Amino acid sequence: DAMVIQNPRYQVTQFGKPVTLSCSQTLNHNVMYWYQQKSSQAPKLLFHYYDKDFNNEADTPDNFQSRRPNTSFCFLDIRSPGLGDAAMYLCATSSSGGTDTQYFGPGTRLTVL
Amino acid sequence: GENVEQHPSTLSVQEGDSAVIKCTYSDSASNYFPWYKQELGKRPQLIIDIRSNVGEKKDQRIAVTLNKTAKHFSLHITETQPEDSAVYFCAAPPGANSKLTFGKGITLSVRP
Repeated sequence: DAMVIQNPRYQVTQFGKPVTLSCSQTLNHNVMYWYQQKSSQAPKLLFHYYDKDFNNEADTPDNFQSRRPNTSFCFLDIRSPGLGDAAMYLCATSSSGGTDTQYFGPGTRLTVL
Repeated sequence: GENVEQHPSTLSVQEGDSAVIKCTYSDSASNYFPWYKQELGKRPQLIIDIRSNVGEKKDQRIAVTLNKTAKHFSLHITETQPEDSAVYFCAAPPGANSKLTFGKGITLSVRP
């Protein structure tokens, strides 16, 4: 029944060591989003894909990259994680964008040592 | 861009009382207004939404009202229960856009 799946659920990495987070969906939605959420804060949009069109937020650090090889999968790459990148990373999907429900995955909790 | 603000930042109510959470937005072109509930350690989940062509929508104990002129929308929870305790986020899309701008969230505590 899982519709938006994120792996792993918990990720520990070392300062500066690249890490990749994975998201997959069974909803066949056009739009996939990556959010960063820190404790007691709102989800902060990093970027999103509308089909293959990549949309980066202006304040997303260059350290964060994303790939969407097909409709079902989307990856978040953090090239050189810093201590400030420790957070919950949420993937979400929607059928066609801003006026449709966003379905969130369970998140990946990233710890940077 | 869209600016979404929530008031108050925390709210505590007695079980059985009503709770009202207000959200203001800045982009008059926004046409969709969802409310998400996030319990501790869990993902945000949509609880109710409203589109700009209606003024009110109700789903059991939860309702949302929209005032387009004043650019605000409110979440109403009646007969609150302890399981309503969570963080509630409002959101709005900046114009005709494929993304949402989230408010900072409100922590609702329901006292048994």
